[in-house]
Amino acid sequence: QMQLVQSGPEVKKPGTSVKVSCKASGFTFTSSAVQWVRQARGQRLEWIGWIVVGSGNTNYAQKFQERVTITRDMSTSTAYMELSSLRSEDTAVYYCAADIAAAGTCDYWGQGTLVTVSS
Amino acid sequence: QSALTQPASVSGSPGQSITISCTGTSSDVGGYNYVSWYQQHPGKAPKLMIYDVSNRPSGVSNRFSGSKSGNTASLTISGLQAEDEADYYCSSYTSSSDVVFGGGTKLTVL
Repeated sequence: QMQLVQSGPEVKKPGTSVKVSCKASGFTFTSSAVQWVRQARGQRLEWIGWIVVGSGNTNYAQKFQERVTITRDMSTSTAYMELSSLRSEDTAVYYCAADIAAAGTCDYWGQGTLVTVSS
Repeated sequence: QSALTQPASVSGSPGQSITISCTGTSSDVGGYNYVSWYQQHPGKAPKLMIYDVSNRPSGVSNRFSGSKSGNTASLTISGLQAEDEADYYCSSYTSSSDVVFGGGTKLTVL
């Protein structure tokens, strides 16, 4: 069945970077897109960006434009989201989601990765 | 991109129907039929309930339905059950090729 498995929790210091991975299985990774969404404790879902796997084209939310990079490795069916210049407000659960039709729908979600930014 | 507008909370009794609204603009909800709805239980990842305004993924109960009029989309849950108690989020594709989420609605089953 369709599955997205994310990397484990991270604790980072302010000013550093974090890279979260998302390994896909059970669907045709190369013909899909991968969305990245985060959620601070008790807060709403916040869209970060997405990558169309086959072309490698990306689009980022303006808020994260300068600090985020989303990539993919088709050989391992894995997508990555790297966020730099971390600050305490970046503490959140980060989710990847498979967008099968590349139409902005998060069809299936990973389990989430808690990123904690603390000095 | 501003978040889509949802009511903070709605409630209903078992067996009743409730509707959650999601208001955007002509650049997102009103301009595309790419509105989705997600259910999120505490401590869990969101789950897709409705996509492309009114389509249900396989396995989602037909008690869940979606619609859209102008810049406002709606999620209706009929025959409310205790397990429907959760947070619900709408999202839409936008003219910037972005995705925008709503602020979320907490559904309480009385």
